[in-house]
Amino acid sequence: DTEVTQTPKHLVMGMTNKKSLKCEQHMGHRAMYWYKQKAKKPPELMFVYSYEKLSINESVPSRFSPECPNSSLLNLHLHALQPEDSALYLCASSHQLTGRQPQHFGDGTRLSIL
Amino acid sequence: RKEVEQDPGPFNVPEGATVAFNCTYSNSASQSFFWYRQDCRKEPKLLMSVYSSGNEDGRFTAQLNRASQYISLLIRDSKLSDSATYLCVVTSFGNEKLTFGTGTRLTIIP
Repeated sequence: DTEVTQTPKHLVMGMTNKKSLKCEQHMGHRAMYWYKQKAKKPPELMFVYSYEKLSINESVPSRFSPECPNSSLLNLHLHALQPEDSALYLCASSHQLTGRQPQHFGDGTRLSIL
Repeated sequence: RKEVEQDPGPFNVPEGATVAFNCTYSNSASQSFFWYRQDCRKEPKLLMSVYSSGNEDGRFTAQLNRASQYISLLIRDSKLSDSATYLCVVTSFGNEKLTFGTGTRLTIIP
């Protein structure tokens, strides 16, 4: 069982819809991440939060809007997505924002844009 | 040249055999190394960290060669459940981001 929980597991939405992906961890980790993964490709980093503050934005389009309400929660708000945004969206966390520590992934939200 | 390179495979290996993967990295300032496994349509899961002195966890052995800038993963007595994609992951000093290899696809054949 993963210690990083993501909801929903699957999401189908139209290009005009607004939806949110949610991620929760109770391991006391202070760094949280959003990744996008396309089929047969490695995960691509989107955003990093450290101590609830946005630390890294990998030039992600503004139709993706992250939010970190507290140290355990991470949201990704979606609006006006494109069909090419269909992918597996993974949340991860680590003790702190340092490359020395491994990241633990949630089981992802599989997103389909119609 | 990619920062982290892996042979994509696929590796088709009979059950019980030993299999080894290599992963090369280009940044000599790389400081931390990990192997993750990812099953089809699942999330990556940490398999093991790779330490300078090499480390073993059951049937799995990971080694680091800083001089040649590669890490390796050896799986002994392979099981059907070892079938997965194995991702090599590297981080560099001062860079908190994980850099993923493209992954090596392993299939264990009964």
